[in-house]
Amino acid sequence: NAGVTQTPKFQVLKTGQSMTLQCAQDMNHEYMSWYRQDPGMGLRLIHYSVGAGITDQGEVPNGYNVSRSTTEDFPLRLLSAAPSQTSVYFCASSYSGPGQGDHNEKLFFGSGTQLSVL
Amino acid sequence: DQQVKQNSPSLSVQEGRISILNCDYTNSMFDYFLWYKKYPAEGPTFLISISSIKDKNEDGRFTVFLNKSAKHLSLHIVPSQPGDSAVYFCAALVTGTASKLTFGTGTRLQVTL
Repeated sequence: NAGVTQTPKFQVLKTGQSMTLQCAQDMNHEYMSWYRQDPGMGLRLIHYSVGAGITDQGEVPNGYNVSRSTTEDFPLRLLSAAPSQTSVYFCASSYSGPGQGDHNEKLFFGSGTQLSVL
Repeated sequence: DQQVKQNSPSLSVQEGRISILNCDYTNSMFDYFLWYKKYPAEGPTFLISISSIKDKNEDGRFTVFLNKSAKHLSLHIVPSQPGDSAVYFCAALVTGTASKLTFGTGTRLQVTL
């Protein structure tokens, strides 16, 4: 059981370049989300999705796009990378999302993508 | 505005002793709290949680205490083991609302021999 898989693990971009961070889960989770982790800031929610075709903004959505065409995949797109987007990015999924159902706590995280924007 | 705060960036504890990690929150609407543990180069993993209807939840060596009046929760690890060395994040949410989990800034625990 692979769980939540993120690719790539590391990426270096130049300012202005675009790229897509991939996230896939094989647990049939409806809820998927993207977080970024920065020193002294903890984990901040970028975007989330409660099911295929449904996405919503989190705390820090600017500069990022998401789509959810399938239950399994939730890619994060950087449209025009900026040095402020240098961070570690985590994808997470759960059955019904934090605060919903009987699985409030069960967020499963991927191992992260370390992104540097020069 | 940091709604969930972990004021101690790091903590060092001897093996066998108790580790106490603290977390404060400002949003009185939060009614469910969680602790996640993170090792280097890995994603966070769920550790333990507590609902606001309780003031204590225990799971093996891990106990979480909640003081609603003080808007404070703490994670106790007894006894501490070297494998507990990790970054610990507390998180909070409002149940039944849009799916947003608010994390604290994390505390790095080092358990020494």
